[in-house]
Amino acid sequence: AQKITQTQPGMFVQEKEAVTLDCTYDTSDPSYGLFWYKQPSSGEMIFLIYQGSYDQQNATEGRYSLNFQKARKSANLVISASQLGDSAMYFCAMTPHTGNQFYFGTGTSLTVIP
Amino acid sequence: EPEVTQTPSHQVTQMGQEVILRCVPISNHLYFYWYRQILGQKVEFLVSFYNNEISEKSEIFDDQFSVERPDGSNFTLKIRSTKLEDSAMYFCASSDLTQGLQETQYFGPGTRLLVL
Repeated sequence: AQKITQTQPGMFVQEKEAVTLDCTYDTSDPSYGLFWYKQPSSGEMIFLIYQGSYDQQNATEGRYSLNFQKARKSANLVISASQLGDSAMYFCAMTPHTGNQFYFGTGTSLTVIP
Repeated sequence: EPEVTQTPSHQVTQMGQEVILRCVPISNHLYFYWYRQILGQKVEFLVSFYNNEISEKSEIFDDQFSVERPDGSNFTLKIRSTKLEDSAMYFCASSDLTQGLQETQYFGPGTRLLVL
């Protein structure tokens, strides 16, 4: 069984500061992908970043980076230089090699304070 | 940049009525998905579709649900007899096959379904 856990229901960060959103996962599959999506108040799901389980380096996409610690089964999202537009729900998701469906966490609501 | 589109953006229906939610996936993608998100909850997988047939489905996807690719561009989710608990945001997603199995899924903007 696959499980994604996001333990922070809500987070606050000062504008221009960095913030880390936590995500841990559980899977018995040796190969899997990890994803982060942003959901603003308008409701759409916006892909942010991907990390493959066999990737040696942590993924980065602009101000987003993924702190992947395979032994700890964690895939935390780091947002640097927070902007007001970063205020949104953030979902961690995983898909195992043996299937295509995504398993989502419960999300973290991020509020950027001016 | 290509994107997944969904229509309608909002749908209100009476309990027991049939609804069809429509999606146009990204044109060169081969895998299609439906997810739902009940208000305030996490996104839940419903079904995946590849090569004109269902490849995976969850426990939520019971006999009330069906999917179809009626032509080369549309992908639909039909709920035969809606229940109050079907009220949710329904997301369509699509992904590419060539990058390997863990492809990024690109989501549409969602259809917000309200069953009264």
